[in-house]
Amino acid sequence: AQTVTQSQPEMSVQEAETVTLSCTYDTSESDYYLFWYKQPPSRQMILVIRQEAYKQQNATENRFSVNFQKAAKSFSLKISDSQLGDAAMYFCAYRSAGLYNTDKLIFGTGTRLQVFP
Amino acid sequence: GAGVSQTPSNKVTEKGKYVELRCDPISGHTALYWYRQSLGQGPEFLIYFQGTGAADDSGLPNDRFFAVRPEGSVSTLKIQRTERGDSAVYLCASSEVAIDTQYFGPGTRLTVL
Repeated sequence: AQTVTQSQPEMSVQEAETVTLSCTYDTSESDYYLFWYKQPPSRQMILVIRQEAYKQQNATENRFSVNFQKAAKSFSLKISDSQLGDAAMYFCAYRSAGLYNTDKLIFGTGTRLQVFP
Repeated sequence: GAGVSQTPSNKVTEKGKYVELRCDPISGHTALYWYRQSLGQGPEFLIYFQGTGAADDSGLPNDRFFAVRPEGSVSTLKIQRTERGDSAVYLCASSEVAIDTQYFGPGTRLTVL
C-alpha cells in the first residue's frame, strides 16, 4: 500500500522569504501523480500544484515550485516570496495512475505554515 | 459554474442518531469522492462514484456508513447509529473524469455528542 509522510507538523516563514515543505512517499508503482493541496481555515482544499511521475521536469505554478526526486521518493514544495495569504495547512497527496485504480488520493498528515509580517 | 457545494456546513447530532450529508459536484463531473478528515489528520478516502455506481467503497469504515448517487450528480453520505468517533469533517470532491484533478467542497463538520 502507498503511504505519504510529512515530517514537519509546523513551519514558519517571514513575509517575502522562501520556505520549503517536505514530503516523502512510499510506493512500488512506477506511474503516479503527486499533489500539494492548501487548506485554509475555511476547510476547502485548494490544489496548489501537480506533478506527473513520468515527467522529469519539476512543476511550477507562479511562486510555487516542487523538487521531485523520483528515486528518493521525495516531493518537496517551495514557496517563494511568501505572502500572508499563504498561511494554511498544506497537504501532500499521492494518486495511482494505473488503468484499474480508483484514483483516490492518499494524503499525508499535513504541515501548518505560518507567515509572519 | 459553481464549485462543489456541501450541506449542511455543520451538523451536531446525538449518539445513536441517523445523519445525511449532501454533496453537489461541479456540473458535468462524472467522478465523485468522499473523504473523512479527523482533527489533525489528512483526509482519508471513503468511497468513489463513477456515474451512479460506487466503483470503490473500500474506505467505508463499517456497515453504518452508506452513500448513494442515484442520478449521477448529487450524492448523499448516510451514517446510521452515529458514534462519537464519527465526529470529523466530511469532504466531497469531484472531477470531470476519474483521472482528472479533484476539486473539493468546503466540507461538513459532523459533531456527535
